[in-house]
Amino acid sequence: DQQVKQNSPSLSVQEGRISILNCDYTNSMFDYFLWYKKYPAEGPTFLISISSIKDKNEDGRFTVFLNKSAKHLSLHIVPSQPGDSAVYFCAAPRGSNYQLIWGAGTKLIIKP
Amino acid sequence: NAGVTQTPKFQVLKTGQSMTLQCAQDMNHNSMYWYRQDPGMGLRLIYYSASEGTTDKGEVPNGYNVSRLNKREFSLRLESAAPSQTSVYFCASIPGQGNNQPQHFGDGTRLSIL
Repeated sequence: DQQVKQNSPSLSVQEGRISILNCDYTNSMFDYFLWYKKYPAEGPTFLISISSIKDKNEDGRFTVFLNKSAKHLSLHIVPSQPGDSAVYFCAAPRGSNYQLIWGAGTKLIIKP
Repeated sequence: NAGVTQTPKFQVLKTGQSMTLQCAQDMNHNSMYWYRQDPGMGLRLIYYSASEGTTDKGEVPNGYNVSRLNKREFSLRLESAAPSQTSVYFCASIPGQGNNQPQHFGDGTRLSIL
């Protein structure tokens, strides 16, 4: 059962425009969500997170929105820059061992 | 700052061979994790160690063993490698469980089993 889903394998956006990456989840017990960014041949790096008590969290060009009723979150990047080209994963911790449940990732390509 | 260091970066094995993947962190973190990532999928937890001296199974532990050698090091062993274990393996750590702290990752070991 895939509890965290990223249904878009890839997304292409013009430099300077807004990038919107989406993530859906099925487990209503999730109360915290993280976004990671991954470049080729590197490990994932933490980008931004959101607690279920909030519906928005902002950090510079990155904003994450959470819609609990729809079990949906999105990551907005504005303006998009060439260095944002990477694979983006959403993840949620589960259980006392803090196991992260990951989506399959979305490859973001920023076109010059 | 080294953070989380994984060795080797690449390895090719034949079916049935054994191998140990090494992971070390210099952040004085208590909890460490081993994940695998397969094409088109998110990372899946193999084993984790909440603290020195403890290890527990994750989502996909079959075919693997782990050792938490000390607070810094957490190794993953394949006793008899199978082609299905071809994957990219990531080690991660956090200061301690709880408080929703983001995990810090190494750069991965790319393992091919022929």
